[in-house]
Amino acid sequence: KAGVTQTPRYLIKTRGQQVTLSCSPISGHRSVSWYQQTPGQGLQFLFEYFSETQRNKGNFPGRFSGRQFSNSRSEMNVSTLELGDSALYLCASSLGTGVGQETQYFGPGTRLLVL
Amino acid sequence: AQSVTQPDIHITVSEGASLELRCNYSYGATPYLFWYVQSPGQGLQLLLKYFSGDTLVQGIKGFEAEFKRSQSSFNLRKPSVHWSDAAEYFCAVAQGGANNLFFGTGTRLTVIP
Repeated sequence: KAGVTQTPRYLIKTRGQQVTLSCSPISGHRSVSWYQQTPGQGLQFLFEYFSETQRNKGNFPGRFSGRQFSNSRSEMNVSTLELGDSALYLCASSLGTGVGQETQYFGPGTRLLVL
Repeated sequence: AQSVTQPDIHITVSEGASLELRCNYSYGATPYLFWYVQSPGQGLQLLLKYFSGDTLVQGIKGFEAEFKRSQSSFNLRKPSVHWSDAAEYFCAVAQGGANNLFFGTGTRLTVIP
């Protein structure tokens, strides 16, 4: 079974631009979560989608948004990029939200550099 | 609020030596606990998890972890480290039924020959 895939793997943008990252979960997984990893703040939860609905949201500004499609694929968007948005963005998928279904499997990440 | 502490930022061990990485958590109810490993430039790979039951859990690559409720700890162990184990290790906690993981700051493991 294929793992979580993320595209693109690397991205360079300039301040003020916007960016869209894509994540395809493991087949059969319905929950997709996004995390930001930076040297200063570590791994931080952005948001989680289940059945096309945002179920949980971390403490990030509204410039960070996401969505999930009917096939469970997910995208996250960052608008008006700032230098501090440079990070590794990780996507994780899990079967669902029931007890015991929470084990998350991570993709390789998208490394975003904002200049 | 949930939190995870990994007190060791960097650990160096000799190949073949035993390893223990520390993890302490703060959470009101029974936590769901995880250990992940990350190689440079890669995503996170799940090593093992604890939901309930036996407090000693076995994972992949010869790793094991023990849940100790009285100490709020979930330490990761390996009896004999291999050079390929050099990586960064993250402990994480989640509320049951939720998919937002709270991660520790990570422990970087260096293995010397």
